[in-house]
Amino acid sequence: GAGVSQTPSNKVTEKGKYVELRCDPISGHTALYWYRQSLGQGPEFLIYFQGTGAADDSGLPNDRFFAVRPEGSVSTLKIQRTERGDSAVYLCASSRDRGEQFFGPGTRLTVL
Amino acid sequence: SQQGEEDPQALSIQEGENATMNCSYKTSINNLQWYRQNSGRGLVHLILIRSNEREKHSGRLRVTLDTSKKSSSLLITASRAADTASYFCATDVSSDYKLSFGAGTTVTVRA
Repeated sequence: GAGVSQTPSNKVTEKGKYVELRCDPISGHTALYWYRQSLGQGPEFLIYFQGTGAADDSGLPNDRFFAVRPEGSVSTLKIQRTERGDSAVYLCASSRDRGEQFFGPGTRLTVL
Repeated sequence: SQQGEEDPQALSIQEGENATMNCSYKTSINNLQWYRQNSGRGLVHLILIRSNEREKHSGRLRVTLDTSKKSSSLLITASRAADTASYFCATDVSSDYKLSFGAGTTVTVRA
């Protein structure tokens, strides 16, 4: 079946702009995770959804970051007033409950 | 903050040789997982080892876990050019769903 998909694959924006990153999880996976990976580093946890609710958003760096999953499937990560330091690859993963996490290809965000 | 640390940071080997990388972590875990990443994009899950397991095999992969030393190792036997990638260990603390990744080991397999 289809894996986790993320759109866009690349996003270039200017400092101060608003961006939305989309994640389509594997069908039937109730858990969805967002991670951020900076160059040369491993992914860092941002937020975890179980169904429609954000079960843990402790990894979001500040209040410019927000994520939703209104119908318990697709999720959107929203970043307001982007800064150059937000440049990274944003990875989405999904799993059945708390099982093995399957990762998408990521969205490479570049803030100029 | 990242709980795991991989060692070495980079590894270059000849095709057919074995590659070994290590991961050390700081707190007690429920399980430890190894992932592979090509070209800085999507991660592929390789193997999961639970805290009550000491060794696990999957094809050419062998993972060990020593909870007393808070360390794990990943061995890739008979390496191939296609094994060239970055390898990350990730810890799951007490089924805490959040994975905490190390900075990774970059493996280059020379033909």
